[in-house]
Amino acid sequence: GAVVSQHPSRVICKSGTSVKIECRSLDFQATTMFWYRQFPKQSLMLMATSNEGSKATYEQGVEKDKFLINHASLTLSTLTVTSAHPEDSSFYICSAPRAGNTEAFFGQGTRLTVV
Amino acid sequence: GESVGLHLPTLSVQEGDNSIINCAYSNSASDYFIWYKQESGKGPQFIIDIRSNMDKRQGQRVTVLLNKTVKHLSLQIAATQPGDSAVYFCAEILNTGGFKTIFGAGTRLFVKA
Repeated sequence: GAVVSQHPSRVICKSGTSVKIECRSLDFQATTMFWYRQFPKQSLMLMATSNEGSKATYEQGVEKDKFLINHASLTLSTLTVTSAHPEDSSFYICSAPRAGNTEAFFGQGTRLTVV
Repeated sequence: GESVGLHLPTLSVQEGDNSIINCAYSNSASDYFIWYKQESGKGPQFIIDIRSNMDKRQGQRVTVLLNKTVKHLSLQIAATQPGDSAVYFCAEILNTGGFKTIFGAGTRLFVKA
């Protein structure tokens, strides 16, 4: 069964609104989680590293004020896409490694469509 | 963000044939690599991994080869089946205080029945 759960799986929102995506580790604690974005027919691009109890670390070119990350507990990280625009439409995927594990477990992904 | 954002190359094979998917990685410091399979609309699934001190590792129907000299990975799938049709990504794991997974460009595999 899934060890990382992502919600919602699909969301459609109006341009200018904000959308929150949740990523939960189900049977383990994750001090670190990762957020990726994937455009059609492209690879997964790492957006940011979510750190429990501290600020997220963003990759170069990713706007931290647009993609707000909150890692408030050891099992939950949230990504909020603020003031969404059609170009933010994408597939967003989170992952979480178990402590001491190099392999990360991936969520099912969230398909965001901004209209 | 880190990745190679290229459009996916495609490999088409006949059912029952062997498939070889290639990948170039970028970071010489990576000491751990994973191949993932991604089906449409889903997150990546772990297939097989390999550490940098190895050059070959075999699983069930899959083999990963690592050539650190040229920073190249390959995934071999034996007796390819229609259910193997998906996009395949190699990933390098960077230890940056936590283990960060960086994905390669990916290859779409089509299996013809």
